[in-house]
Amino acid sequence: EPEVTQTPSHQVTQMGQEVILRCVPISNHLYFYWYRQILGQKVEFLVSFYNNEISEKSEIFDDQFSVERPDGSNFTLKIRSTKLEDSAMYFCASSELAGKDEQYFGPGTRLTVT
Amino acid sequence: GESVGLHLPTLSVQEGDNSIINCAYSNSASDYFIWYKQESGKGPQFIIDIRSNMDKRQGQRVTVLLNKTVKHLSLQIAATQPGDSAVYFCADQAAGNKLTFGGGTRVLVKP
Repeated sequence: EPEVTQTPSHQVTQMGQEVILRCVPISNHLYFYWYRQILGQKVEFLVSFYNNEISEKSEIFDDQFSVERPDGSNFTLKIRSTKLEDSAMYFCASSELAGKDEQYFGPGTRLTVT
Repeated sequence: GESVGLHLPTLSVQEGDNSIINCAYSNSASDYFIWYKQESGKGPQFIIDIRSNMDKRQGQRVTVLLNKTVKHLSLQIAATQPGDSAVYFCADQAAGNKLTFGGGTRVLVKP
């Protein structure tokens, strides 16, 4: 069964450093998402992406965040200057269709900012 | 406001019994609801979904009930098994693709 993959599984970085989290969505999917889950809290939407553009973003997704689809398979989330409060699990998801369609989640990247 | 919440943080259930997990939502514009299961160290896994034009949908050992009058959603798991131990999230989708997740309920299956 096809699945969303994410690398690395765990990333430790120092405050102020840039990090890039990588995702490979399911190959025939066209819509891509990033969510995050701070330990003990809800899963929160960050951004959705389609046709090389951001289609929706949350208040969390400020200027420190960016997304990119650099090639035909990868989808990345960049945090330009990490803060302690960016420590969380970051989940990538993809769906074949827009709207009311199942979003398939990857296993997540645990980001620890020290 | 726009929120999806859960009533019970932890549910302990005997193996073989049925489990019921509840969820309340407040966004009257929500028209699509999903239940996800999250096992330790893994991402959310889709279980079942329901659209607002339905009030019940059944899958394999799972049933989702939607009561739009009181904005309530539930997930029923029949004959709960040890592999069902996980955290269960409800999520809703209104306009756009964004999913709004609830806080999660941990289900512990006792042998």
